[in-house]
Amino acid sequence: RKEVEQDPGPFNVPEGATVAFNCTYSNSASQSFFWYRQDCRKEPKLLMSVYSSGNEDGRFTAQLNRASQYISLLIRDSKLSDSATYLCVVGPRFSNYQLIWGAGTKLIIKP
Amino acid sequence: GAGVSQSPSNKVTEKGKDVELRCDPISGHTALYWYRQSLGQGLEFLIYFQGNSAPDKSGLPSDRFSAERTGGSVSTLTIQRTQQEDSAVYLCASSLAQTALGTDTQYFGPGTRLTVL
Repeated sequence: RKEVEQDPGPFNVPEGATVAFNCTYSNSASQSFFWYRQDCRKEPKLLMSVYSSGNEDGRFTAQLNRASQYISLLIRDSKLSDSATYLCVVGPRFSNYQLIWGAGTKLIIKP
Repeated sequence: GAGVSQSPSNKVTEKGKDVELRCDPISGHTALYWYRQSLGQGLEFLIYFQGNSAPDKSGLPSDRFSAERTGGSVSTLTIQRTQQEDSAVYLCASSLAQTALGTDTQYFGPGTRLTVL
C-alpha cells in the first residue's frame, strides 16, 4: 500500500460546479498536510495547508479526518483555470521536512 | 523577487554519461531540496540541505547520485553513468527553514527534464 494515495482521475467537471476529492495516508503519526497544485509540465505550487479544524481559502476548503486518515479538498464554483493536477502531501512526523507526495488527482474543468 | 531557477531546462544524454543539474535557490532560503518526478508519479525525495548541517542523503537511489551545495546557496545534483530509469523531471525547491509547527512552504524551480537514451 502506498503511503499517500490519490485517485488519479481525471475528474471532468463543468465550469461552475463543485468538486471534491480525497487523499488517504497510511502513517497515523503524520502531523502536517498540504495540497499543492501542479499545472501541466510546471512545478508544484502550494495551494493550502490543511489544519485539524479544517480551513477555507476563497473557493477552496480543506478538511482533515484523522480517524479515517484522509484529507479532502473541495472546490466550489469551479473555474477553467482550476484545471490542474492536485497533489496531496503529508509530513510523516512533526517538524519533519521529508514530505510524502501523492501522485496527484487530475482535474479538468470544461466550459 | 527572483524565484528558484534550474538549469538546464532539458537535458538529453546517452546511457553511461554523467550529467550535472544546477539549482539556484531563492536568496536567503537556508533549506534546499532535490526531488525527482517520473511521469504520472508523485515527487520522490532525494536530498535535503539545511544551512551548514550535513545533508540528508537518505533519498538518493544509488551511489551514482550525489549533490553539493556551495556557500550555502547554489546546488548541483550529479548523476554518474546515467541509466534509462534515471529519466525524469528533477525538481529543486527551497524554503526559509523548518518552523516549530512543522514544515514551511517549499518554492519549486521549473525543473530539469532529463532523458537518458
